[in-house]
Amino acid sequence: EAGVTQFPSHSVIEKGQTVTLRCDPISGHDNLYWYRRVMGKEIKFLLHFVKESKQDESGMPNNRFLAERTGGTYSTLKVQPAELEDSGVYFCASSQDLSREQFFGPGTRLTVL
Amino acid sequence: GQNIDQPTEMTATEGAIVQINCTYQTSGFNGLFWYQQHAGEAPTFLSYNVLDGLEEKGRFSSFLSRSKGYSYLLLKELQMKDSASYLCAVHRGSTLGRLYFGRGTQLTVWP
Repeated sequence: EAGVTQFPSHSVIEKGQTVTLRCDPISGHDNLYWYRRVMGKEIKFLLHFVKESKQDESGMPNNRFLAERTGGTYSTLKVQPAELEDSGVYFCASSQDLSREQFFGPGTRLTVL
Repeated sequence: GQNIDQPTEMTATEGAIVQINCTYQTSGFNGLFWYQQHAGEAPTFLSYNVLDGLEEKGRFSSFLSRSKGYSYLLLKELQMKDSASYLCAVHRGSTLGRLYFGRGTQLTVWP
C-alpha cells in the first residue's frame, strides 16, 4: 500500500511569489490534514478535509493560504503571496476515521527568501 | 492553546532502557499519540492510548494517566536506529481529528 506522498519535497521562493504544495493521501482515506512546523516550534494543525469538504480550517494562519481538495482525492495548499514567516515544513496526513492514527507524508520544506 | 510538554533532548546507550515523558493540560481529552520521526522523514505512528494503563508493543510501550495528564513512552533494548525525534500528540474529542503536538524529544542512542 502506497503511503502519503507530497510534492515537491523542497521549494525555495522569493517573498511575494506563489507556491502550491500537493498531497496525495492513502487511497480510501476520507480524512486529510495539513500541518506545519516552523523551525524551533511544534507541529501545528492547519486544516482538515473530510472528502472534499473543509471540516476544520481554524488553524489556517490568514487568507494568503488556500487549500482545496476537489473530488475528494488529492489536496493542494497554495500560499499567495508568500511571506518570510511562511517558511517551514508542511506536512500532510490522512486517516480512515477520526479515532485512528494519522499517516503522515514526508513533508514539503518551504523556504521563503 | 494546549500545554504539551516533553523534554527537548535525551541520550542513552545501546541496549539500555529510556523513558520519554509527556505532560499535557487540555479540556476534552480523547487520547494521546506517540510518533517517531527520523530527520527529513515522515512522522510514523507508534501508539495511541485512550484508557489509563500500559500498552506494550514489542520493544516500545506507552503509558497513560488521564487523571494526572501524563504519558510516557518506554523504549527497551535500545538500538542505534532508535535515534530520532519522538512526538507526543493529544487528540481532543471536541476538535475532531485535529492533533496537538509537543515540540518533540530528540533521542540520541550511543554505541
